[in-house]
Amino acid sequence: KAGVTQTPRYLIKTRGQQVTLSCSPISGHRSVSWYQQTPGQGLQFLFEYFSETQRNKGNFPGRFSGRQFSNSRSEMNVSTLELGDSALYLCASSLFLNTEAFFGQGTRLTVV
Amino acid sequence: AQSVTQPDIHITVSEGASLELRCNYSYGATPYLFWYVQSPGQGLQLLLKYFSGDTLVQGIKGFEAEFKRSQSSFNLRKPSVHWSDAAEYFCAVGEGGSSNTGKLIFGQGTTLQVKP
Repeated sequence: KAGVTQTPRYLIKTRGQQVTLSCSPISGHRSVSWYQQTPGQGLQFLFEYFSETQRNKGNFPGRFSGRQFSNSRSEMNVSTLELGDSALYLCASSLFLNTEAFFGQGTRLTVV
Repeated sequence: AQSVTQPDIHITVSEGASLELRCNYSYGATPYLFWYVQSPGQGLQLLLKYFSGDTLVQGIKGFEAEFKRSQSSFNLRKPSVHWSDAAEYFCAVGEGGSSNTGKLIFGQGTTLQVKP
């Protein structure tokens, strides 16, 4: 069974641009959540989706948004990028909302 | 609010020695508890989980963890460490029970170095 797939693996963007990251969950999993990992703040919850609906959102500005499609694939978007958005963005999939989460390899975003 | 504390930022052990990584959590009810491992530049791999039942749980790669409600702890152990265990380890808490969220709160992580 294929794991969680995140694309792209690496990304370099300029301040002010926007970026879209993609996540394909494990087949059959219906919940996707996103986390930001930085050396200073550690792992922080961004948001989670189940059945195409955002169920929970972390404490991030509105520049961070996401969505989930009918096939459970998810995308997250960051608009008006700031240097502080440089981070590893991790996607996790789970069968349902409250079951164990399996993480992808992450997308390393660098904002210059 | 939930919180997770991993008191040790960095631990060094000799190959073949035993290992214990500490994790303390703050939560009103019995949470779901997890340990993840992360190699440099990689995602998180689930080592083990506790939802309910037996408080000693077995995971992959020879790891185990024990849930102690009275101490609000979920320490990770391994009897004999291998050089390939060098990585960063994260303890995480989920709301558990009938909660309708899978949101995880992570500790700050413990970096394990293994000496030959």
